[in-house]
Amino acid sequence: EAQVTQNPRYLITVTGKKLTVTCSQNMNHEYMSWYRQDPGLGLRQIYYSMNVEVTDKGDVPEGYKVSRKEKRNFPLILESPSPNQTSLYFCASTVLGGGNSPLHFGNGTRLTVT
Amino acid sequence: GENVEQHPSTLSVQEGDSAVIKCTYSDSASNYFPWYKQELGKRPQLIIDIRSNVGEKKDQRIAVTLNKTAKHFSLHITETQPEDSAVYFCAASRAGGGADGLTFGKGTHLIIQP
Repeated sequence: EAQVTQNPRYLITVTGKKLTVTCSQNMNHEYMSWYRQDPGLGLRQIYYSMNVEVTDKGDVPEGYKVSRKEKRNFPLILESPSPNQTSLYFCASTVLGGGNSPLHFGNGTRLTVT
Repeated sequence: GENVEQHPSTLSVQEGDSAVIKCTYSDSASNYFPWYKQELGKRPQLIIDIRSNVGEKKDQRIAVTLNKTAKHFSLHITETQPEDSAVYFCAASRAGGGADGLTFGKGTHLIIQP
């Protein structure tokens, strides 16, 4: 089954404790992206990647890191989480450069930073 | 960069009535406009999309219209049903045709009253 898999689904942590949210897709998509969803603010892009070893900042990259060492994986790293990073996070993937492929979203990770 | 405005933020309609959600975009080069539906606790999923060479597209009870001159597009849902209750996001592609360059609106919470 074609899918984007995120882990964990729920995460509660404390300020300053490094964490990683994993994302993997099995559709051989070149493009992968991370979004955060906050009430009233919609889906805001954090980082995206157009291929292996190619990553770019989205609209709200501060406090986050990503890596793309393999085509299928795109982890989101919070080196020193803060309470304002409490949010619902979605990973997504699609083909690059047009075509009829929609953006495929993972199930989301609800992060709480205390 | 692209900016997408979406209205209203909340829309309540009686079951069986129609619902209309409107979006405007800023980049005249954008030419791909999808709509995503997010049910409570779930991931966003594509429900319909339109490209700039088409003015209107229908799929059963949902339709999308596009006015490139005015830079606005709308989602129309007819004969609304309880399962239409969700958050709807419009988006516009800044990459020239694909889901790999989407900017999202802030979302509309559609409530279907029985």
